Amino acid sequence: DAGVTQSPTHLIKTRGQQVTLRCSPKSGHDTVSWYQQALGQGPQFIFQYYEEEERQRGNFPDRFSGHQFPNYSSELNVNALLLGDSALYLCASSLAWDRVGQPQHFGDGTRLSIL
Amino acid sequence: AQSVTQLGSHVSVSEGALVLLRCNYSSSVPPYLFWYVQYPNQGLQLLLKYTTGATLVKGINGFEAEFKKSETSFHLTKPSAHMSDAAEYFCAVTLDDKLIFGTGTRLQVFP
Repeated sequence: DAGVTQSPTHLIKTRGQQVTLRCSPKSGHDTVSWYQQALGQGPQFIFQYYEEEERQRGNFPDRFSGHQFPNYSSELNVNALLLGDSALYLCASSLAWDRVGQPQHFGDGTRLSIL
Repeated sequence: AQSVTQLGSHVSVSEGALVLLRCNYSSSVPPYLFWYVQYPNQGLQLLLKYTTGATLVKGINGFEAEFKKSETSFHLTKPSAHMSDAAEYFCAVTLDDKLIFGTGTRLQVFP
C-alpha cells in the first residue's frame, strides 16, 4: 500500500522564479493538504484540496496556488519566489468522510532552496 | 482559536531514562490532539492521537500521552528512552480539519 509520495525531493531555484511541487496521496485518500515547514519550525498549513477545489486556506499570499486532479493527486505552485520561501514543503492526505479526528498521512516532503 | 505550545525546544535524556515532552493546548471546543515524530530528512509520522474516550492514549514505539482537560495538557512520555528515539517531536491540534502544530521539541538521547 503506497503511502504519500512527493516529487521532487530537492529543488534549487532563484528569486523570482516559479516552482511546481507534486504529491500523490495515500491509496484510497481523496483529500490533500499542503504545509510549509521552515527550518527549526513546525509545519504551517497552506491549503487543502478536496473534489478538485480549494476548501481551506491558511495565511499565505496568492503567490501560493494549487490544483487537484481527478485522480486526487495535487500540485503546489509558487510564483515570484522569495528567499523566505526556502523550506520543506509537506503534503498530507486523508479521507473526507473520516477526516475529523483522523490523522493525516504525510509524505517525506520537498526541500526547496531559494538562492 | 486553537493553538499549541510545546515547552522546551530541546530535551536531552540518557538511554534508559524517562522521556517527557510537554504540550499544552488552547481550544474553545473539545480538541483532537496528535503527536507526530520527524526523523532527519523525513516527513511526519503519527505517534498517537486523542479524539474521544480514554484519556490515556498508547502509541507506537512505546510512547503514550495523557489528555488532561483541567490542565489543558497532552504530554508525551516513554518510560525508557532508546537511542533510536532521537528526533523532532511535534504536538498538534485540529482546527476545522487542518492541523495546527507546535514549534517542536528536539529529543537527544545520550548513551
